[in-house]
Amino acid sequence: GESVGLHLPTLSVQEGDNSIINCAYSNSASDYFIWYKQESGKGPQFIIDIRSNMDKRQGQRVTVLLNKTVKHLSLQIAATQPGDSAVYFCAETGPNQAGTALIFGKGTTLSVSS
Amino acid sequence: KAGVTQTPRYLIKTRGQQVTLSCSPISGHRSVSWYQQTPGQGLQFLFEYFSETQRNKGNFPGRFSGRQFSNSRSEMNVSTLELGDSALYLCASSLNPGGATEAFFGQGTRLTVV
Repeated sequence: GESVGLHLPTLSVQEGDNSIINCAYSNSASDYFIWYKQESGKGPQFIIDIRSNMDKRQGQRVTVLLNKTVKHLSLQIAATQPGDSAVYFCAETGPNQAGTALIFGKGTTLSVSS
Repeated sequence: KAGVTQTPRYLIKTRGQQVTLSCSPISGHRSVSWYQQTPGQGLQFLFEYFSETQRNKGNFPGRFSGRQFSNSRSEMNVSTLELGDSALYLCASSLNPGGATEAFFGQGTRLTVV
């Protein structure tokens, strides 16, 4: 079946470094992508989203890049902080999905050491 | 404004029993989706409700059901519980259905089946 996956299950960085978390998706019809952050004991928290008519979107310390040619999504976190330590999920939905059903990747655990 | 509220936070049930979980969406949000999160399968879409109607359903057996009330609050029910139903059940609310809509998650209900 179609799914969204992440390249690496874990990523360890030093405080202050930039982090890049990658995600590959398989449904070329998907037109909306979201990155979520999930801390231990909490539900996923919305970070940033991007529609398929864009290739880059910036937020506060975060940037999402979308490469539709190779069906790749990435999340860049600038000046990573210990509070950024969490599991990061990419999710997609598309025109063939009625409603807002999201397909999630497996997640990347980001560990930030100070 | 208040976020998505899920009750109870934790639940322990015996195999064969049934369980009902509750979700109150963000005020004004009319779409509620449910997801199951397990270490092995990750986050998987269960179903979505809008205006008291199920709009979309994931690939789960009929033991999993849900409903939405006129105030947009939603409940999901799992009958004849199995050990494999142990998971974090997450509810997400969004303003409207139809894809490309930011979804906000609650903290989840941790269900343990023994």
